[in-house]
Amino acid sequence: DVKVTQSSRYLVKRTGEKVFLECVQDMDHENMFWYRQDPGLGLRLIYFSYDVKMKEKGDIPEGYSVSREKKERFSLILESASTNQTSMYLCASSLDAGAGNEQFFGPGTRLTVL
Amino acid sequence: KQEVTQIPAALSVPEGENLVLNCSFTDSAIYNLQWFRQDPGKGLTSLLLIQSSQREQTSGRLNASLDKSSGRSTLYIAASQPGDSATYLCAVGGANSKLTFGKGITLSVRP
Repeated sequence: DVKVTQSSRYLVKRTGEKVFLECVQDMDHENMFWYRQDPGLGLRLIYFSYDVKMKEKGDIPEGYSVSREKKERFSLILESASTNQTSMYLCASSLDAGAGNEQFFGPGTRLTVL
Repeated sequence: KQEVTQIPAALSVPEGENLVLNCSFTDSAIYNLQWFRQDPGKGLTSLLLIQSSQREQTSGRLNASLDKSSGRSTLYIAASQPGDSATYLCAVGGANSKLTFGKGITLSVRP
């Protein structure tokens, strides 16, 4: 079974702090994704990566950056956290960029920015 | 831009009922369609994946169908149980495995 893990289930940070959210997958997947989920807005793609050191912006990249130094790990960085970044953050992975690959999700990190 | 709609937003049914959850999308040029389940405060669990060339997929009591030309998919749940209570999300796959999600249907199965 594919396993996607996220470093924290719950996180509380203060405005202006630098925040790191970590995601690790154990199935040698090439693609990794970061989403945020908000009531009434659904899931929105922040960034994705289709290879080590490669990244592409999703629909809402503003205020975020990412890092992928190793194939199994994809980090989401909030350079200066703001209250409007309070959300549920979900990481996912899929086999490769080929069409039709299933995405597998981690358990999510509930981030609260005070 | 692809848009995915799931109506209604919430559904309550008695235990044992067979039910259908609907999903519609605006652009029929899709690679696949995936149905997920999400329990409160948790991540997404993949239920079924239908490739663009397929018409349906089955897993246990679940059956998902895909009609690309009309931009519709349905998730059929047979003999519903209280444990099926969750939010069900439909997501349409485009290039680079990117998914566009509907907002989900929150299902409550009453004992």
